[in-house]
Amino acid sequence: EELLVESGGGLVQPGRSLRLSCAASGFMFEEFVMHWVRQAPGKGLEWVSSISSDSNFIAYADSVRGRFTISRDNGKKSLILQMNSLRAEDMAFYFCAKGSKSWYHNNWFDPWGQGTLVTVSS
Amino acid sequence: YVVTQPPSVSVAPGQTARLTCGGRNIDGRSVHWYQKRPGQAPVLVLYDDTDRPSGIPERFSGSNSGNTATLTISRVEAGDEADYYCHVWDSSSDHPGVIGGGTKLTVL
Repeated sequence: EELLVESGGGLVQPGRSLRLSCAASGFMFEEFVMHWVRQAPGKGLEWVSSISSDSNFIAYADSVRGRFTISRDNGKKSLILQMNSLRAEDMAFYFCAKGSKSWYHNNWFDPWGQGTLVTVSS
Repeated sequence: YVVTQPPSVSVAPGQTARLTCGGRNIDGRSVHWYQKRPGQAPVLVLYDDTDRPSGIPERFSGSNSGNTATLTISRVEAGDEADYYCHVWDSSSDHPGVIGGGTKLTVL
């Protein structure tokens, strides 16, 4: 069974940093594009960032570019989202999701992790 | 690229729900659909316009023509009540992950 488990969420003050992790199992992690998607309270899903299998392709939403950094450790089957300069509007559930094998092929998100909650408040 | 969804759709049990996703020439792209229930992770219900992942009932089907992609749920059940999101992957863009605003499906 393909499984994704996020961790690292919590309460953080505005301007501070947080590091999210996503542990993968049940599939060849190193072969797939991976994604972060978030959902703020009462809002819809928002794509945050994606990274290709070899880390050669990386993309960010405008709302997080310059503050968030996506990375991956294929040896540890782990996806990372380093979040700096956090703002109130970054408060959300953060989900990691598995994509396709190629950046240039269609990437649908399946499966998704259960999510980790990031709360930004003083 | 931008995709647009109506905020809400209501349907009686046993009827057919049609959820739309609008985008310029969207029929030139592949559209994926997710079901999101409160407190749960999103679930892929359709990919590549019309394909169902294993475990998704045949009641869920899709189409894509012109500027509109449609998720059709036949014989709607109370358990189908959820938010539904359409998604397009725009690999040539700086923002490849394009997700619609979501449609709240209410089963009357």
